[in-house]
Amino acid sequence: IAGITQAPTSQILAAGRRMTLRCTQDMRHNAMYWYRQDLGLGLRLIHYSNTAGTTGKGEVPDGYSVSRANTDDFPLTLASAVPSQTSVYFCASSDSDRTGELFFGEGSRLTVL
Amino acid sequence: EDKVVQSPLSLVVHEGDTVTLNCSYEVTNFRSLLWYKQEKKAPTFLFMLTSSGIEKKSGRLSSILDKKELFSILNITATQTGDSAVYLCAVVSGANSKLTFGKGITLSVRP
Repeated sequence: IAGITQAPTSQILAAGRRMTLRCTQDMRHNAMYWYRQDLGLGLRLIHYSNTAGTTGKGEVPDGYSVSRANTDDFPLTLASAVPSQTSVYFCASSDSDRTGELFFGEGSRLTVL
Repeated sequence: EDKVVQSPLSLVVHEGDTVTLNCSYEVTNFRSLLWYKQEKKAPTFLFMLTSSGIEKKSGRLSSILDKKELFSILNITATQTGDSAVYLCAVVSGANSKLTFGKGITLSVRP
């Protein structure tokens, strides 16, 4: 089934650890995004990529990095996790010709202790 | 700074009621407005609106955009418990199709 796959579904990790959230899409969408969703704050953009080989910073990029080596994959890395990065993370993609409609993955729930 | 404001933040209704969810925005170079429904996991797409005054409809849900007054409404008639969810409004703007989300409206439909 076409769509976006995120892994892991949930993870608990100790502060200071490095963590990579994986995201793969098979729709050949050019643009991909990482959001975090927190109660009362809604969805906030962390990083985005308009096409393979390029990335950009969103609203809350500090403490996160991304790479876009190919069209399908867009991993998000926390180099040294902190408790404030406890959140639900959503990866999304869009076909840039469709004026912004996003397709979301199922989310990754991350708890940093 | 681009801004999307949704209201109310939450509401509780009974099955059969009609609800109206509001979304206002201030962005540079508006392109489109999107509504999403989020239940337990990923947001799912409902509507995309680009033109003023043209109602989009899907079953009991409908939405309309007013580009002069900079807002959109999402109507749900004859609500059902399955309509309980967070409803997200997002606006696409700028040459790079930046997407700005509102904080969402939590709708609870009681039997």
